[in-house]
Amino acid sequence: EIVLTQSPGTLSLSPGERATLSCRASQSVGSNFLAWYQQKPGQAPRLLIYGASSRATGIPDRLSGSGSGTDFTLTISRLEPEDFAVYYCQQYGSSPYTFGQGTKLEI
Amino acid sequence: QVQLVQSGAEVKKPGASVKVSCKASGYTFTSHSISWVRQAPGQGLEWMGWINAYNGNTNYAQKLQGRVTMTTDTSTSTAYMELRSLRSDDTAVYYCARQLAPDYWGQGTLVTVSS
Repeated sequence: EIVLTQSPGTLSLSPGERATLSCRASQSVGSNFLAWYQQKPGQAPRLLIYGASSRATGIPDRLSGSGSGTDFTLTISRLEPEDFAVYYCQQYGSSPYTFGQGTKLEI
Repeated sequence: QVQLVQSGAEVKKPGASVKVSCKASGYTFTSHSISWVRQAPGQGLEWMGWINAYNGNTNYAQKLQGRVTMTTDTSTSTAYMELRSLRSDDTAVYYCARQLAPDYWGQGTLVTVSS
Protein backbone atom coordinates (compact mmCIF):
# COMPACT_ATOMS: atom_id res chain seq x y z
CA GLU A 1 0.00 0.00 0.00
CA ILE A 2 1.28 3.47 -0.89
CA VAL A 3 1.28 5.78 2.12
CA LEU A 4 0.88 9.48 1.33
CA THR A 5 2.27 11.98 3.85
CA GLN A 6 1.12 15.56 3.54
CA SER A 7 2.96 18.52 5.02
CA PRO A 8 2.55 20.75 6.79
CA GLY A 9 -0.43 19.60 8.83
CA THR A 10 -1.61 23.18 9.18
CA LEU A 11 -0.55 26.18 7.12
CA SER A 12 -1.37 29.68 8.36
CA LEU A 13 -1.25 32.38 5.70
CA SER A 14 -2.99 35.57 4.64
CA PRO A 15 -4.98 36.40 1.51
CA GLY A 16 -2.66 37.37 -1.32
CA GLU A 17 0.19 35.14 -0.11
CA ARG A 18 1.49 32.04 -1.83
CA ALA A 19 0.75 28.58 -0.47
CA THR A 20 2.85 25.49 -1.09
CA LEU A 21 1.45 22.12 0.01
CA SER A 22 3.47 18.92 -0.15
CA CYS A 23 2.46 15.30 -0.67
CA ARG A 24 5.14 12.62 -0.39
CA ALA A 25 4.52 8.98 -1.36
CA SER A 26 6.15 5.95 0.25
CA GLN A 27 6.79 4.55 -3.22
CA SER A 28 6.55 5.82 -6.75
CA VAL A 29 3.03 6.71 -7.91
CA GLY A 30 2.27 4.86 -11.13
CA SER A 31 1.85 7.08 -14.19
CA ASN A 32 1.84 10.09 -11.83
CA PHE A 33 -1.80 9.32 -11.04
CA LEU A 34 -1.94 11.84 -8.23
CA ALA A 35 -4.94 14.08 -7.51
CA TRP A 36 -5.60 17.01 -5.19
CA TYR A 37 -8.93 17.87 -3.56
CA GLN A 38 -10.26 20.77 -1.55
CA GLN A 39 -12.83 20.20 1.18
CA LYS A 40 -14.77 22.79 3.14
CA PRO A 41 -16.77 22.01 6.30
CA GLY A 42 -19.98 20.13 5.60
CA GLN A 43 -19.21 19.77 1.90
CA ALA A 44 -18.04 16.98 -0.34
CA PRO A 45 -14.47 17.16 -1.64
CA ARG A 46 -13.84 19.05 -4.87
CA LEU A 47 -11.36 17.83 -7.46
CA LEU A 48 -8.67 20.43 -8.18
CA ILE A 49 -5.83 18.61 -9.95
CA TYR A 50 -5.51 15.17 -11.57
CA GLY A 51 -2.58 13.46 -13.23
CA ALA A 52 -0.32 15.49 -10.90
CA SER A 53 -0.58 18.68 -12.94
CA SER A 54 -3.83 18.89 -14.93
CA ARG A 55 -6.40 21.31 -13.61
CA ALA A 56 -9.96 20.05 -13.32
CA THR A 57 -12.78 21.90 -15.06
CA GLY A 58 -13.37 25.35 -13.65
CA ILE A 59 -10.25 25.48 -11.48
CA PRO A 60 -8.44 28.84 -11.78
CA ASP A 61 -4.88 28.95 -13.06
CA ARG A 62 -3.57 30.37 -9.78
CA LEU A 63 -3.77 26.75 -8.57
CA SER A 64 -1.14 24.44 -10.01
CA GLY A 65 0.13 20.95 -9.38
CA SER A 66 3.61 19.63 -9.98
CA GLY A 67 5.88 16.73 -9.20
CA SER A 68 6.46 13.15 -10.18
CA GLY A 69 7.48 9.83 -8.70
CA THR A 70 7.21 10.28 -4.94
CA ASP A 71 7.14 14.05 -4.45
CA PHE A 72 4.20 16.23 -5.40
CA THR A 73 3.23 19.84 -4.73
CA LEU A 74 0.08 21.91 -4.89
CA THR A 75 0.76 25.63 -5.24
CA ILE A 76 -1.75 28.42 -4.85
CA SER A 77 -0.06 31.54 -6.16
CA ARG A 78 -2.28 34.22 -4.59
CA LEU A 79 -4.61 33.12 -1.86
CA GLU A 80 -8.21 34.20 -2.04
CA PRO A 81 -10.58 34.02 0.97
CA GLU A 82 -12.36 31.00 -0.57
CA ASP A 83 -9.10 28.99 -0.64
CA PHE A 84 -9.00 28.48 3.11
CA ALA A 85 -10.01 24.85 3.54
CA VAL A 86 -8.55 21.36 3.96
CA TYR A 87 -6.61 19.87 1.06
CA TYR A 88 -6.07 16.17 0.38
CA CYS A 89 -3.89 14.35 -2.09
CA GLN A 90 -4.83 10.91 -3.43
CA GLN A 91 -2.94 8.42 -5.54
CA TYR A 92 -4.94 6.29 -7.97
CA GLY A 93 -2.05 4.54 -9.66
CA SER A 94 -2.16 1.36 -7.61
CA SER A 95 -4.76 -0.21 -5.40
CA PRO A 96 -5.65 0.70 -2.69
CA TYR A 97 -6.12 4.27 -3.90
CA THR A 98 -4.95 5.96 -0.73
CA PHE A 99 -5.44 9.52 0.51
CA GLY A 100 -3.05 11.68 2.46
CA GLN A 101 -4.10 12.82 5.93
CA GLY A 102 -4.80 16.38 4.77
CA THR A 103 -3.37 19.88 5.14
CA LYS A 104 -5.51 22.56 6.76
CA LEU A 105 -4.98 25.96 5.18
CA GLU A 106 -6.11 28.60 7.64
CA ILE A 107 -6.13 32.37 7.73
CA GLN B 1 -25.32 18.73 -15.62
CA VAL B 2 -23.72 15.79 -13.87
CA GLN B 3 -25.37 14.93 -10.57
CA LEU B 4 -24.99 12.14 -8.05
CA VAL B 5 -27.81 12.01 -5.52
CA GLN B 6 -27.44 9.73 -2.53
CA SER B 7 -29.98 8.19 -0.20
CA GLY B 8 -30.69 9.64 3.21
CA ALA B 9 -29.06 9.25 6.59
CA GLU B 10 -29.21 5.90 8.36
CA VAL B 11 -28.94 4.80 11.99
CA LYS B 12 -27.98 1.17 12.49
CA LYS B 13 -27.16 -1.11 15.40
CA PRO B 14 -23.85 -2.94 15.59
CA GLY B 15 -23.93 -6.10 13.52
CA ALA B 16 -26.54 -4.79 11.11
CA SER B 17 -26.12 -3.94 7.42
CA VAL B 18 -26.62 -0.73 5.48
CA LYS B 19 -27.15 -0.14 1.78
CA VAL B 20 -26.52 3.33 0.37
CA SER B 21 -27.75 4.29 -3.09
CA CYS B 22 -26.29 6.80 -5.52
CA LYS B 23 -28.39 7.87 -8.51
CA ALA B 24 -26.46 9.37 -11.39
CA SER B 25 -27.73 11.74 -14.05
CA GLY B 26 -26.38 14.07 -16.71
CA TYR B 27 -23.93 11.63 -18.29
CA THR B 28 -23.73 8.12 -19.74
CA PHE B 29 -23.69 6.00 -16.58
CA THR B 30 -21.80 3.06 -18.06
CA SER B 31 -18.95 5.25 -19.34
CA HIS B 32 -17.47 5.95 -15.90
CA SER B 33 -16.58 4.02 -12.77
CA ILE B 34 -18.14 4.87 -9.43
CA SER B 35 -15.86 5.25 -6.43
CA TRP B 36 -16.91 5.09 -2.79
CA VAL B 37 -15.11 7.12 -0.13
CA ARG B 38 -15.98 7.54 3.53
CA GLN B 39 -15.08 10.08 6.19
CA ALA B 40 -15.42 9.44 9.89
CA PRO B 41 -16.39 12.44 12.04
CA GLY B 42 -13.55 14.94 12.17
CA GLN B 43 -11.26 12.62 10.21
CA GLY B 44 -9.77 12.40 6.73
CA LEU B 45 -10.93 10.63 3.60
CA GLU B 46 -10.80 6.86 3.29
CA TRP B 47 -11.01 5.10 -0.07
CA MET B 48 -13.38 2.13 0.03
CA GLY B 49 -13.30 0.87 -3.53
CA TRP B 50 -14.79 1.30 -6.98
CA ILE B 51 -17.05 -0.43 -9.43
CA ASN B 52 -16.85 -0.37 -13.20
CA ALA B 53 -20.36 0.65 -14.19
CA TYR B 54 -19.96 -0.93 -17.62
CA ASN B 55 -19.06 -4.50 -16.64
CA GLY B 56 -19.57 -4.60 -12.87
CA ASN B 57 -15.93 -5.32 -12.03
CA THR B 58 -15.02 -4.21 -8.53
CA ASN B 59 -11.92 -3.34 -6.53
CA TYR B 60 -12.33 -3.13 -2.75
CA ALA B 61 -10.07 -1.88 -0.01
CA GLN B 62 -8.44 -4.84 1.70
CA LYS B 63 -9.68 -3.83 5.15
CA LEU B 64 -13.31 -3.99 3.95
CA GLN B 65 -13.03 -7.23 1.96
CA GLY B 66 -15.79 -9.62 2.95
CA ARG B 67 -17.99 -6.89 4.45
CA VAL B 68 -18.57 -4.58 1.47
CA THR B 69 -20.38 -5.14 -1.82
CA MET B 70 -20.69 -2.55 -4.59
CA THR B 71 -23.25 -3.01 -7.33
CA THR B 72 -24.93 -1.04 -10.08
CA ASP B 73 -28.32 -1.04 -11.78
CA THR B 74 -27.73 0.30 -15.26
CA SER B 75 -31.46 0.47 -15.98
CA THR B 76 -31.81 3.22 -13.37
CA SER B 77 -28.24 4.60 -13.44
CA THR B 78 -27.89 3.84 -9.77
CA ALA B 79 -24.94 2.53 -7.81
CA TYR B 80 -25.19 0.82 -4.45
CA MET B 81 -22.78 0.20 -1.60
CA GLU B 82 -23.70 -2.36 1.04
CA LEU B 83 -21.67 -2.69 4.23
CA ARG B 84 -22.37 -5.60 6.58
CA SER B 85 -21.49 -6.48 10.17
CA LEU B 86 -21.44 -2.81 11.08
CA ARG B 87 -19.26 -1.61 13.94
CA SER B 88 -19.12 1.70 15.75
CA ASP B 89 -16.04 2.71 13.79
CA ASP B 90 -18.06 2.44 10.56
CA THR B 91 -19.86 5.63 11.63
CA ALA B 92 -19.04 8.05 8.85
CA VAL B 93 -20.28 10.08 5.92
CA TYR B 94 -20.24 7.85 2.85
CA TYR B 95 -19.69 9.46 -0.55
CA CYS B 96 -20.15 8.10 -4.02
CA ALA B 97 -18.17 9.82 -6.74
CA ARG B 98 -17.63 9.52 -10.47
CA GLN B 99 -14.34 8.09 -11.77
CA LEU B 100 -11.19 6.86 -10.04
CA ALA B 101 -9.94 10.42 -9.43
CA PRO B 102 -13.47 11.61 -8.67
CA ASP B 103 -14.60 14.73 -10.51
CA TYR B 104 -18.22 14.73 -9.31
CA TRP B 105 -19.34 13.71 -5.84
CA GLY B 106 -22.62 12.88 -4.20
CA GLN B 107 -23.79 14.94 -1.26
CA GLY B 108 -22.81 12.25 1.23
CA THR B 109 -24.84 9.90 3.41
CA LEU B 110 -24.31 9.86 7.17
CA VAL B 111 -24.37 6.35 8.58
CA THR B 112 -24.43 6.18 12.35
CA VAL B 113 -23.74 2.87 14.08
CA SER B 114 -24.86 2.90 17.67
CA SER B 115 -26.49 0.57 20.13
